[in-house]
Amino acid sequence: EVQLGESGGDSVQPGGSLRLSCAASGFTFSSYAMSWVRQAPGKGLEWVSSISGSGGSTYYTDSVKGRFTISRDNSRNTLYLQMNSLSAEDTAVYYCAKASTTLSSPLDYWGQGTLVTVSS
Amino acid sequence: SYVLTQPPSVSVAPGKTARITCGGNNIGSKSVHWYQQKPGQAPVLVIFYDSDRPSGIPERFSGSNSGNTATLTINRVEAGDEADYYCQVWDSSSDHPGVFGGGTRLTVL
Repeated sequence: EVQLGESGGDSVQPGGSLRLSCAASGFTFSSYAMSWVRQAPGKGLEWVSSISGSGGSTYYTDSVKGRFTISRDNSRNTLYLQMNSLSAEDTAVYYCAKASTTLSSPLDYWGQGTLVTVSS
Repeated sequence: SYVLTQPPSVSVAPGKTARITCGGNNIGSKSVHWYQQKPGQAPVLVIFYDSDRPSGIPERFSGSNSGNTATLTINRVEAGDEADYYCQVWDSSSDHPGVFGGGTRLTVL
């Protein structure tokens, strides 16, 4: 059974940093692209970042480029999102999601999300 | 960047057919995926590659994609279908290729 579990969400001041983790199990982690998707309170889904199975290809939405870094440790079956220079606009539930195959494929499994709150 | 446009809300009576649209420039040339999200829950994939259905998703859910509009169709709508629905594409021509529509709230009257 595929399982994805996010952790690392917290309340942080503007300008601060957080690292989110997503522990994966039930599938061969290194064979699948992974993504982070966020949802601000009362708003819709927003794609944040994606990474290929090998970690060699990464993509970011414009609003986080240069501030967020997606990475993965295939030996630990874990996906990460390093978030720096956080602002109030980054407040959201952050979901990790597994792609069905490659980067362009649909997101077939999602975690339950972890809440990031940026506030002074 | 590529933009996907969805109506904010759709209302339908139980037993009727709901159609949720997703507009985008020549979206028919892209693969569209649809997600259902109920309050307090993570999204669930309900249609992928325009019209394929994951195992466990009722046959009442179907999808189509042509021209500038993709459509999610839910036949014989049930109260349990009330949720937010999002379309999504991967725009390979962009350096920020992941795109979601703004979402549509389906209300079952």
